[in-house]
Amino acid sequence: KAGVTQTPRYLIKTRGQQVTLSCSPISGHRSVSWYQQTPGQGLQFLFEYFSETQRNKGNFPGRFSGRQFSNSRSEMNVSTLELGDSALYLCASSPWGSGGAGAYEQYFGPGTRLTVT
Amino acid sequence: GQQVMQIPQYQHVQEGEDFTTYCNSSTTLSNIQWYKQRPGGHPVFLIQLVKSGEVKKQKRLTFQFGEAKKNSSLHITATQTTDVGTYFCAGARQAGTALIFGKGTTLSVSS
Repeated sequence: KAGVTQTPRYLIKTRGQQVTLSCSPISGHRSVSWYQQTPGQGLQFLFEYFSETQRNKGNFPGRFSGRQFSNSRSEMNVSTLELGDSALYLCASSPWGSGGAGAYEQYFGPGTRLTVT
Repeated sequence: GQQVMQIPQYQHVQEGEDFTTYCNSSTTLSNIQWYKQRPGGHPVFLIQLVKSGEVKKQKRLTFQFGEAKKNSSLHITATQTTDVGTYFCAGARQAGTALIFGKGTTLSVSS
């Protein structure tokens, strides 16, 4: 099976702009989670989607949003970008979903490296 | 809120030495997971522990989950250069909640 894919892999944006990142989970996986990884804060949970519904949300401002489509593909959007949003954004899918993202192993994609200037 | 702390932050060893990283949670966890991230790569799932006091082995790696389900450890015996990377623990407070990651322990190995 193909792994989790994320597009684009690299992105440079200017403060104030918005960005949309895409994630295609492993075929058959219905749970998709998003994480922000920075050197200072480590891996921080953004949100989790299962069957097109947001099931869990981390402590991020409302500028961060996401959605999941019927084919389980997911997108996350960051509006009004700030310098501090520069990070590696990782998407992870899980083969199970009924127990929540925390209950099952996560398969991570390669990430999207976002740089905000 | 729930916090997962990992120590040490960095560890350098000579090839062949042992290595241990520790993970502590402020709350009881329903399960603990361990991931490895190679430099420039993404986290890769290693193992999940669910039961109190559980011990699992994968070749040279030994994983333990504490009796109180608040702490865990990963021990690598006789490290090799291929063990280089950052090891993360991650736990969920209860079923249905998000996975909270520790900040990781970065292991470097010199031959």
